[in-house]
Amino acid sequence: SQQGEEDPQALSIQEGENATMNCSYKTSINNLQWYRQNSGRGLVHLILIRSNEREKHSGRLRVTLDTSKKSSSLLITASRAADTASYFCARPEGAQKLVFGQGTRLTINP
Amino acid sequence: GAGVSQSPRYKVAKRGQDVALRCDPISGHVSLFWYQQALGQGPEFLTYFQNEAQLDKSGLPSDRFFAERPEGSVSTLKIQRTQQEDSAVYLCASSFLAGEGDTQYFGPGTRLTVL
Repeated sequence: SQQGEEDPQALSIQEGENATMNCSYKTSINNLQWYRQNSGRGLVHLILIRSNEREKHSGRLRVTLDTSKKSSSLLITASRAADTASYFCARPEGAQKLVFGQGTRLTINP
Repeated sequence: GAGVSQSPRYKVAKRGQDVALRCDPISGHVSLFWYQQALGQGPEFLTYFQNEAQLDKSGLPSDRFFAERPEGSVSTLKIQRTQQEDSAVYLCASSFLAGEGDTQYFGPGTRLTVL
């Protein structure tokens, strides 16, 4: 069973707008990871944020982590058509396997 | 190779048939994972190898599912007597080391349809 919950399940915005996706989880974590999946490139690792970090940036991506609320958010700024994809948060369980959320389907309209 | 490769990319099986799905991880990667992804859902963990050792198979849904990695590189996921509920995309991932923060690199997946 999946233990992460993404919100919203689907998001549709205009190109150039910002997109925010949220992820909640139930157990304590050492890190949280975000992945993107589209039909062209499969599942791709975007960013990892550790439990002692509150915010991390990578290009147009900004991830925040609030361990007290057990939640994380992914912000994509100045969205492009190529950002259309499903976005998943994932947390490691044990030392190896990842537990994924159900994902947010993001559509960028031209 | 440049990334994780999987074959076949698509597989259609009649209910009751056996199937074998292949994964070629990135060369030198110690860890290899199999995940199952149902339509509209996130991937769910099936099993994990560190080199040739299968250290975790807690996610395999039944004893019809079997995975191996005999030489610590290529892995095969075998499903016996396939059922319709086995229809899903099967993803393979590899990582260089075996640590919690190591990035997992995913293959394109095999889409299995059981009729």
